[in-house]
Amino acid sequence: DTAVSQTPKYLVTQMGNDKSIKCEQNLGHDTMYWYKQDSKKFLKIMFSYNNKELIINETVPNRFSPKSPDKAHLNLHINSLELGDSAVYFCASSRLARWDYTFGSGTRLTVV
Amino acid sequence: KNEVEQSPQNLTAQEGEFITINCSYSVGISALHWLQQHPGGGIVSLFMLSSGKKKHGRLIATINIQEKHSSLHITASHPRDSAVYICAVMEYGNKLVFGAGTILRVKS
Repeated sequence: DTAVSQTPKYLVTQMGNDKSIKCEQNLGHDTMYWYKQDSKKFLKIMFSYNNKELIINETVPNRFSPKSPDKAHLNLHINSLELGDSAVYFCASSRLARWDYTFGSGTRLTVV
Repeated sequence: KNEVEQSPQNLTAQEGEFITINCSYSVGISALHWLQQHPGGGIVSLFMLSSGKKKHGRLIATINIQEKHSSLHITASHPRDSAVYICAVMEYGNKLVFGAGTILRVKS
């Protein structure tokens, strides 16, 4: 069983579209994250939710909206996609104040 | 300047060589991770450290909290070790801050 699963794995879309990436974890973790890896392979946190509450919200355009229906899911919705949004987006989960980070396999988003 | 600095950025080694990747950080942390990312692949956590040293197979990770420095060593390197190795520090609140990564290529 996949511990942290993201869908889709690849997403190609046109500028201006709205898209969502889904993330689910079956580890019983209470905290979930979205990270963005840019073209230079640099990873940076975007959001973190603990028990469905937003606890980290880095400087991210408000076109990006995370949604956590329960503590096992953290979805990322992106409005009005731009070319610069092209990147690999990683979901991760952990237990708060613990170090047991587990990453998803990533979603490669290409905006054309 | 990034809060987490890794060196070297690129490393090419011959199979069997001993490899060291260094990580220095400038912020207070609760833990440090060493991560591995294969081309086109996901991210795997190799080690989580808050002090001392950990060993797993041919991999050894050390951390010196006072000096804010960690090293990842690979003994008897093998081509399958070729990957990007990323140092990430866990700031308080479970937020990970990443180094830029070290691209390792091990030639046979």
